[in-house]
Formats: sequence, C-alpha cells, structure tokens
Amino acid sequence: GNSVTQMEGPVTLSEEAFLTINCTYTATGYPSLFWYVQYPGEGLQLLLKATKADDKGSNKGFEATYRKETTSFHLEKGSVQVSDSAVYFCALFGANAGGTSYGKLTFGQGTILTVHP
Amino acid sequence: DTEVTQTPKHLVMGMTNKKSLKCEQHMGHRAMYWYKQKAKKPPELMFVYSYEKLSINESVPSRFSPECPNSSLLNLHLHALQPEDSALYLCASSPHPLDRGLETQYFGPGTRLLVL
Repeated sequence: GNSVTQMEGPVTLSEEAFLTINCTYTATGYPSLFWYVQYPGEGLQLLLKATKADDKGSNKGFEATYRKETTSFHLEKGSVQVSDSAVYFCALFGANAGGTSYGKLTFGQGTILTVHP
Repeated sequence: DTEVTQTPKHLVMGMTNKKSLKCEQHMGHRAMYWYKQKAKKPPELMFVYSYEKLSINESVPSRFSPECPNSSLLNLHLHALQPEDSALYLCASSPHPLDRGLETQYFGPGTRLLVL
C-alpha cells in the first residue's frame, strides 16, 4: 500500500530561519500530494497541494514541489515566524483502483515545529 | 468558503452513555469522512461516505455508528465506548471522493472526546 515518511521532529528554529521538512512517499500510480498544518487545539488546515509531477504548491510563504524522480514533496519556507509553530503533516491521496489505499488519504507521522522569537 | 463545522467541541461521556457527533458542510461536497486522532499522531481514517452511501469502513468497532442523513450532514453515533476511545474526532469533506483535483479534503475543527 501507499506510505509517507516525514523527517522526525521536533524541529526548533529561531524566527526568520529557513525551514525544510522532508517528505518522501511510496505509491502506485500518480498520487496527489498535500501538506496539512495543525495548530495547537485545532483541526487540520490544508496548507498546499500538488496533483502532478513538477507542480509546485505554495501558500503563506510555504512551498513544496512534487518530485516524481525522487518521490519527494519537501516543505520549505524562507523565513519562519513564531506563528508558524504547529504540527505539519505530509499526505498523499491514492486514487488507483485496487489495493488497500484506493480512495484514501495517507498521512506521514507529523513533524512538530517550534519557532522561538 | 471551505468551512466544515463540528459540534460539540468537547464531549465527556461515561461508558454506558449514548451520544452523537455532528458534522456539517455547505460546499456541495459529495464525499465526507470521519477520522480519529490520538495525541501527537496523524489522523486515522474511520469511515468514508460517497454520495451519501458508506463506501469505506476501516474495520471500526460497532460501538461507532456513522450516519449520513443528507449530502450536507454526517453524524457519528457513539455507544458503550471505552476509555481508549478518547481522542479528537475529525470530520472532513471533499468535492469528490476520487477525481483528481477534486479529492482535496477539508477538515473541521474536531470534537475532543473524553470517555470516563
């Protein structure tokens, strides 16, 4: 079945530092890829997405590029803020008929990001 | 507008109680989902409704009973829960369950459930 592997956290950065959270995946076919963010005590918010190879998703200064050759979708931000402190989940949607991952969103384990002033 | 609403925000129940969680969306989405999330873990899929019909049940115990009365509403009926069922229950919806580009799931804020 499909799987997503995220870099282990927690990640602690100072404000204005550069952020990278690595995400690699295993999937059959051509999945859609997502980054979700979960702020303390809240549900998940869609941060960005990409539906085909070489697509770049971007939102709120965050970016991620769908790299089929390396099966990766790393999240980056040039200058983090304290308000970016949250848990970040990489996810893929498996839509190839058959197999146990059909029609499901598969999440990575999540990366806790803490940004200090 | 990509809002999914859930009520209640918090729920405390005993093991013999019956309660229900409610989820609502008015975006015209045709797929709705229930997830369970334990602290510091990713959400785990429980049920998927596609065009108001149950399409995926991830072998969830029968003490959880989903219901989709119409295309905007999704309920989760709870009965005889165990303390280990305490978690954040998240509802999500997507425009379509499978079509590329329409499968993006939008999540509600969740109901935090405590079973005593």
